[in-house]
Amino acid sequence: DVKVTQSSRYLVKRTGEKVFLECVQDMDHENMFWYRQDPGLGLRLIYFSYDVKMKEKGDIPEGYSVSREKKERFSLILESASTNQTSMYLCASIQFNTGSEQFFGPGTRLTVL
Amino acid sequence: AQKITQTQPGMFVQEKEAVTLDCTYDTSDPSYGLFWYKQPSSGEMIFLIYQGSYDQQNATEGRYSLNFQKARKSANLVISASQLGDSAMYFCAMREGGQAGTALIFGKGTTLSVSS
Repeated sequence: DVKVTQSSRYLVKRTGEKVFLECVQDMDHENMFWYRQDPGLGLRLIYFSYDVKMKEKGDIPEGYSVSREKKERFSLILESASTNQTSMYLCASIQFNTGSEQFFGPGTRLTVL
Repeated sequence: AQKITQTQPGMFVQEKEAVTLDCTYDTSDPSYGLFWYKQPSSGEMIFLIYQGSYDQQNATEGRYSLNFQKARKSANLVISASQLGDSAMYFCAMREGGQAGTALIFGKGTTLSVSS
């Protein structure tokens, strides 16, 4: 079974802190994604990566950065957390050009106080 | 303009009844894929069903079927014989272009409540 894991299910941080959300997949997928989920807005794409050290902005990249140093790991970084980044963060991965469904991690519910 | 529209914020159904969750999409790309995901209260996203734009037949997976009407740009999810465990948020999503592996565009979701 494909497994996508995220470092924390719940996280509470203070405004201004630097926050790292880690995502690891074990199926050698090339493509990885970070989405943000808010009530009434569905899932919105923050960043994605097609390969190691490659990244592309999604629809809402402001206030976020990403890192992909190894194929299996895709990190989302909040450089200076703000209260409007309180949200559910979902990581996903898929095999490039052969996969159909995206496999999602369990999500990280981040609260910024 | 929204690319994926789910017009039903909430739906209510009784056990063993069928329910249809609506989804319309907007794309000018001739090649695309349509997905439905289920998200229970625990938060994980569970893949349910996939329909490719060139697929001739409607996709089915167990109790789930996708009513694909290409001319109307609709991709409704039909759940037959609802169960209490079907209570969850349901998302319709689209992948534009023929290349598998690109990002999905999600609708805002529909909350389904199944009662006994």
